[in-house]
Amino acid sequence: EVQLLESGGGLVQPGGSLRLSCAASGFTFSNYAMTWVRQAPGKGLEWVSTINISGGSTYYADSVKGRFTISRDNSKNTLYLQMNSLRAEDTAVYYCAKNRYTSDLPRDFDYWGQGILVTVSS
Amino acid sequence: DIVMTQSPDSLAVSLGERATINCKSSQSVLYSSNNKNYLTWYQQKPGQPPKLLIYWASTRESGVPDRFSGSGSGTDFTLTISSLQAEDVAVYYCQQYYNTPLTFGGGTKVEIK
Repeated sequence: EVQLLESGGGLVQPGGSLRLSCAASGFTFSNYAMTWVRQAPGKGLEWVSTINISGGSTYYADSVKGRFTISRDNSKNTLYLQMNSLRAEDTAVYYCAKNRYTSDLPRDFDYWGQGILVTVSS
Repeated sequence: DIVMTQSPDSLAVSLGERATINCKSSQSVLYSSNNKNYLTWYQQKPGQPPKLLIYWASTRESGVPDRFSGSGSGTDFTLTISSLQAEDVAVYYCQQYYNTPLTFGGGTKVEIK
């Protein structure tokens, strides 16, 4: 059974940093690109970032480019999102998601974690 | 960026009746080399992550009831629930994966009339 378990969320002040983790199991993690998607309270879905299979290629939404860094450790089956210079508008539930098929590019997603709440507030 | 526009924002349908949700992309998401539409539909229930329903615009994900169907090509797509059940109450999103940034529609909330 595929499982994606996010951790590391919480309350942080504007300008602060946070590192999210997503522990994957139930599939061959090193065969799939992985993605972070967020959802502000009561709002729709927003793609944040994708990392390819090897970790050598990364993709970012303009809204987070230069502030967030996606990475992965295939030996630990874990996806990360380092979030710096956080703003109030980054407040959201952050989901990690698995590519539906073994493309090295950002695609669509067949499994999602339960999500982790990040609140940016003073 | 490809803008995804869903309509309506919400709809109320009687149990057993048909629900139709539209999704329009600002440019074609049909990839000519493989003739596939890079368009997916998700269902999201309150407090849950999105669930994949339909990919390649019309291919139903394994385990998804056959009352859910997707159609369309190019820039205009439709998700149809042929006979609405109580458990189908949710918000539905389309997403294009033709290029980055990946973009989602604003969502359509489906309720029981």
